[in-house]
Amino acid sequence: RKEVEQDPGPFNVPEGATVAFNCTYSNSASQSFFWYRQDCRKEPKLLMSVYSSGNEDGRFTAQLNRASQYISLLIRDSKLSDSATYLCAVNKLYEGSYIPTFGRGTSLIVHP
Amino acid sequence: ETGVTQTPRHLVMGMTNKKSLKCEQHLGHNAMYWYKQSAKKPLELMFVYSLEERVENNSVPSRFSPECPNSSHLFLHLHTLQPEDSALYLCASSQVAGGPRETQYFGPGTRLLVL
Repeated sequence: RKEVEQDPGPFNVPEGATVAFNCTYSNSASQSFFWYRQDCRKEPKLLMSVYSSGNEDGRFTAQLNRASQYISLLIRDSKLSDSATYLCAVNKLYEGSYIPTFGRGTSLIVHP
Repeated sequence: ETGVTQTPRHLVMGMTNKKSLKCEQHLGHNAMYWYKQSAKKPLELMFVYSLEERVENNSVPSRFSPECPNSSHLFLHLHTLQPEDSALYLCASSQVAGGPRETQYFGPGTRLLVL
C-alpha cells in the first residue's frame, strides 16, 4: 500500500458544483494532515491543515477519519479559479521525527 | 523579498556538466528541504536540513550533493546527471524540522532538463 494515496482524476465539474476528494494514508501514527494546492507550473501552496477531526475555511472543508485512515477535501460552489491539482500531505512518524509525505495529487478542472 | 526564492528557474544541462541550484528563504525558518517532482509521481523528499545540519537523506544518488551554509540558504550541486533526473526541483522551508505540525513553504522550483 502506498504511504499516501490519491485518485489522480481529473475531476471535471461545472461551475457551482460540489466536489470531494479523498486521500488515504498508511502510517497510523501520523499526527497532521494537509491539503496543498498546486497550479500548473507553479509550486504547491498550503490550502488547509487538519489536526483533529476537521477544518473549514469558506467553501473548503477538510475532514479526518482516523479509524479508516483517510482525509477528505470538500469544495462547495466550485469556481473556475479552483482548477488546480490538490496534493494531500501527511506528517508521518519516522525514527522519532515527523517527515512530510505527499500523495501524487488530484487534478480538478472546473468548466463554465 | 519575502518567502522562498530559487535560482535558476529553468536549467538545461548535459550529462557531463556540473551545475548548482540555489534556494534562499526569508521566513526566519530553521529547516529547509529539497524535493523532486516528476510527472505523474508524488513529490519525493530528497534532503532535510535542520539548523544547517542534514537530518534526512532519502537514499538519493550521490550525483546530487546538498549544501546548507546557514539556515537561510540551501544549495543542490548536480554532476553527471542522467536524463531520468529531469524534473521540477522544489525547495521548501518550515519553522523546524521533524515537528508533528510543520507545514511546508515552497519556492517556485527549478525546472531541470538533462540531455
